[in-house]
Amino acid sequence: AQSVTQLGSHVSVSEGALVLLRCNYSSSVPPYLFWYVQYPNQGLQLLLKYTSAATLVKGINGFEAEFKKSETSFHLTKPSAHMSDAAEYFCAVRTAKNNNDMRFGAGTRLTVKP
Amino acid sequence: ETGVTQSPTHLIKTRGQQVTLRCSSQSGHNTVSWYQQALGQGPQFIFQYYREEENGRGNFPPRFSGLQFPNYSSELNVNALELDDSALYLCASSLGQGVEETQYFGPGTRLLVL
Repeated sequence: AQSVTQLGSHVSVSEGALVLLRCNYSSSVPPYLFWYVQYPNQGLQLLLKYTSAATLVKGINGFEAEFKKSETSFHLTKPSAHMSDAAEYFCAVRTAKNNNDMRFGAGTRLTVKP
Repeated sequence: ETGVTQSPTHLIKTRGQQVTLRCSSQSGHNTVSWYQQALGQGPQFIFQYYREEENGRGNFPPRFSGLQFPNYSSELNVNALELDDSALYLCASSLGQGVEETQYFGPGTRLLVL
């Protein structure tokens, strides 16, 4: 079955610094990959998704992620962190084999220091 | 366009009771998925409904059941509540059941079982 692993439950960066949140996936078939953000006491909001088109995916709020099949990774980056980026970030995977079952990682909490 | 809404926002029940959570899908969406998010964890897939039929189920016991109505709104029912059922319950709607479809999440219902 497919799964994702998010490396680092907490990441802290300074405002203006690079944000890098790591996600590795496991899947025996071509995956569809998603990054969601969750602000306190809210639901999940889609940042971006990979659906086998371009390997570099651009999302909202200046985030992007690159699908690397050789490394089974889908890391999320943003060149310059903003205070409003502080939130919980979840990586998720779905496959055509189990298209009704989206598997989420445990999440990474991003803190942005002034 | 109205987004995904859920009711109630918070709920307190005692062990052994039954609970019904409600979800109103985004306009035009015929597919709804339910997730359980325990504290500090990523969401876990409970089940999905497509055009009023269950269309996939995660690793949850039969006491978790659901319904989808002709207007595509949905209910999650949990019988014989256990302490471990305390969690944030999220519903997500999508235009279809395809694996590439974006799921739009509601704000969730936070359930506490005492």
